[in-house]
Amino acid sequence: AQSVSQHNHHVILSEAASLELGCNYSYGGTVNLFWYVQYPGQHLQLLLKYFSGDPLVKGIKGFEAEFIKSKFSFNLRKPSVQWSDTAEYFCAVRNYGGSQGNLIFGKGTKLSVKP
Amino acid sequence: NAGVTQTPKFRILKIGQSMTLQCAQDMNHNYMYWYRQDPGMGLKLIYYSVGAGITDKGEVPNGYNVSRSTTEDFPLRLELAAPSQTSVYFCASSYARDEQYFGPGTRLTVT
Repeated sequence: AQSVSQHNHHVILSEAASLELGCNYSYGGTVNLFWYVQYPGQHLQLLLKYFSGDPLVKGIKGFEAEFIKSKFSFNLRKPSVQWSDTAEYFCAVRNYGGSQGNLIFGKGTKLSVKP
Repeated sequence: NAGVTQTPKFRILKIGQSMTLQCAQDMNHNYMYWYRQDPGMGLKLIYYSVGAGITDKGEVPNGYNVSRSTTEDFPLRLELAAPSQTSVYFCASSYARDEQYFGPGTRLTVT
């Protein structure tokens, strides 16, 4: 079965530190890739998405992600985090040929940024 | 646009009771979804719909039912609530296979 792995359960950083959150998926065909963010007490919001084209994708709030097909990875990065980036981050993958556009979510990575 | 709305925000049920979680969207999206979110487990798809009158099971459908009589509404029914259904429930919608927009969630406790 298709799966999505997020390597870190909880990451703690100080403000201005650089961030990289790992995401790997198991499906070998064409995929659509997403990163969602959930701020405390709020619903999920889209950070960025990759469908095709340039594998380096820029999203909102200074986030970017790189799709590396050979590694089945879609890691999220930010050069300098802020306290307001404290949230839970979810990677999600859709098998392009799969049923009805359903997303498979990773278990999430909680990011805590110390001021 | 209100986007995706969900009611209620919170609910406590006794074991064996039933309830309906409401979800509505005003973006004219054809696809709608119900997920449950448990701590450390990410989101699991319960049911989805690709249009009015069409629904299908997701990964964890047992104990739930849905209907989709209009494009806008996608209620989730819990019959005979069990403690294992204690969770946060999110409704989402999308235009075909594009990004999904999520509602604010319903926090349900079954005791």
